[in-house]
Amino acid sequence: DIQMTQSPSSLSAFVGDRVTITCRASQSISRSLNWYQHKPGTAPKLLIYAASALQAGVPSRFSGSGSGTDFTLTISSLQPEDFATYYCQQTYSSSITFGQGTRLEIK
Amino acid sequence: QVQLVQSGAEVKKPGASVKVSCKASGYTFTGYSMHWVRQAPGQGLEWMGWINPNSGGTNYAQKFRGRVTMTRDTSISTVYMELTRLTSDDTAVYYCARGVAGYDFWGQGTLVPVSS
Repeated sequence: DIQMTQSPSSLSAFVGDRVTITCRASQSISRSLNWYQHKPGTAPKLLIYAASALQAGVPSRFSGSGSGTDFTLTISSLQPEDFATYYCQQTYSSSITFGQGTRLEIK
Repeated sequence: QVQLVQSGAEVKKPGASVKVSCKASGYTFTGYSMHWVRQAPGQGLEWMGWINPNSGGTNYAQKFRGRVTMTRDTSISTVYMELTRLTSDDTAVYYCARGVAGYDFWGQGTLVPVSS
């Protein structure tokens, strides 16, 4: 299986901060990388697909970049509702895998 | 509007099986794959596999092969995920999710506690 490693595992930030989360694949996955936001008690929400395409309805402060093995999710100006856990997911392989998650907390 | 509605929580004993349903509405059921993802307490998201509702073809994660079966009933736009030989490690919230480029719609989740 392709291993997906996110960093950091947790992060504290202020409202208004710019935040970047990285995701590294154990082998090249081209641009087959998606990002999700997950809050307790709710279903995960798709933010970014195909590495950089913004899902409909997602605020433009979210952006994604990267290809091959290295990817980033950036939140340009954190809002109170953005505090959640973020996951990357590769769909390049027929055996789909998620990163371990990055917990974003309020400082 | 697209909706995925899952069956309710089920408490199971070790060794038992569970079958979770996911009823789709608001789109062409056979036009999109359906995936299953679970989250154990305090853990991350774990992909279990997918089913093609049109053909019935499936692809399961290696970890679950031999224990998981995904099926569909096109007449009622519903997919099912059955997991057998449950252990406490299978205690989790189970989600169905529509597969496009990423999972754009998700069910509400079904809690399956496994306890003696």
